[in-house]
Amino acid sequence: EPEVTQTPSHQVTQMGQEVILRCVPISNHLYFYWYRQILGQKVEFLVSFYNNEISEKSEIFDDQFSVERPDGSNFTLKIRSTKLEDSAMYFCASSRPLDTSYEQYFGPGTRLTVT
Amino acid sequence: GQNIDQPTEMTATEGAIVQINCTYQTSGFNGLFWYQQHAGEAPTFLSYNVLDGLEEKGRFSSFLSRSKGYSYLLLKELQMKDSASYLCAVKDSNYQLIWGAGTKLIIKP
Repeated sequence: EPEVTQTPSHQVTQMGQEVILRCVPISNHLYFYWYRQILGQKVEFLVSFYNNEISEKSEIFDDQFSVERPDGSNFTLKIRSTKLEDSAMYFCASSRPLDTSYEQYFGPGTRLTVT
Repeated sequence: GQNIDQPTEMTATEGAIVQINCTYQTSGFNGLFWYQQHAGEAPTFLSYNVLDGLEEKGRFSSFLSRSKGYSYLLLKELQMKDSASYLCAVKDSNYQLIWGAGTKLIIKP
């Protein structure tokens, strides 16, 4: 069964550094998402991406963040100048059509620890 | 603002039935989802409701009342492996998923 994959599974970085989190969505999916979940808290939407551009973004997704689909398979989240409060689990998800009942399939997540 | 409320924690006994409630206030409604999340893992899809009524899927059922902004997830014949957090999420008018904080379900033998 196809699945969303994410690398690395765990990333430790120092405050102020830049990190790139990588995702490979399911191959025939058209919509891609990034979510964040701080330990013990709710899942938070960051951004959705379709047709090589951002379709929606939340208030959290400020200039510190950017997304890219550098080739036909990868989908990346870049976090510039990381802060302690960026420590969280970051989930990538993908889905087929946007406006139907199609579920979003989640990757296993990348645990980001900022020290 | 947008708000999704669910109980923080519930406890139930193996073999029993449990109902997890969710109420929501969102800008627009394009469907309600229930996801299961085990600790340290990604959410996995359980059910989807867009019309009023009950959707049954094996041991799990989900109910929706749009006029009341209310849904519940019903789990029957509880098993120890059902111990997890259950997340209610609503697709708003922008088709963004707005998430509840989750209900941690503890199953006791």
